[in-house]
Amino acid sequence: EADIYQTPRYLVIGTGKKITLECSQTMGHDKMYWYQQDPGMELHLIHYSYGVNSTEKGDLSSESTVSRIRTEHFPLTLESARPSHTSQYLCASSGVYGTEAFFGQGTRLTVV
Amino acid sequence: QQQVKQSPQSLIVQKGGISIINCAYENTAFDYFPWYQQFPGKGPALLIAIRPDVSEKKEGRFTISFNKSAKQFSLHIMDSQPGDSATYFCAASKIGSWGKLQFGAGTQVVVTP
Repeated sequence: EADIYQTPRYLVIGTGKKITLECSQTMGHDKMYWYQQDPGMELHLIHYSYGVNSTEKGDLSSESTVSRIRTEHFPLTLESARPSHTSQYLCASSGVYGTEAFFGQGTRLTVV
Repeated sequence: QQQVKQSPQSLIVQKGGISIINCAYENTAFDYFPWYQQFPGKGPALLIAIRPDVSEKKEGRFTISFNKSAKQFSLHIMDSQPGDSATYFCAASKIGSWGKLQFGAGTQVVVTP
């Protein structure tokens, strides 16, 4: 079944640790996105990619970085986590001609 | 600066009633206006979407009304059901960048039995 997967679903980690949030999709989509969502708030685009080896920053400034080495995989990395990074991170993808963005279930990150 | 403004922040409606959520935008380059439904602990899922060349789109109990001159669009949920209780987000994006969405702040809808 075509889908978009995010792991882990929940992560509690100490300040200063390096973390990588995983996102994979099986729909063959070329475009992938990372959104950040604070509880009860709107989603903000922080990174996007239109294909392999293509990454751009989104509208909301983020200290995280992303990579796109394989079409299906779009991980997000925080080199040194801080409490201000506590949020929900949502990965999405869309196809070449499709308008719909499909979202994963998200990773809820808490930095203590 | 929020590019898509959504209201109300929350609403409570009785089963069988009509839920109405409104959104307004400023950027006339937007040409794709989706509505997403999000349940707790889940990612948003596309509910219904409209392009500016039509004024209304209906899918089942969900209808989008679009007013291009006023730069406003709204979601109507007819015959609201308890299963419709969720947070609804309007969004907008530009041609060729449809996955780069500008979201509204969201409306939490509670449908009482």
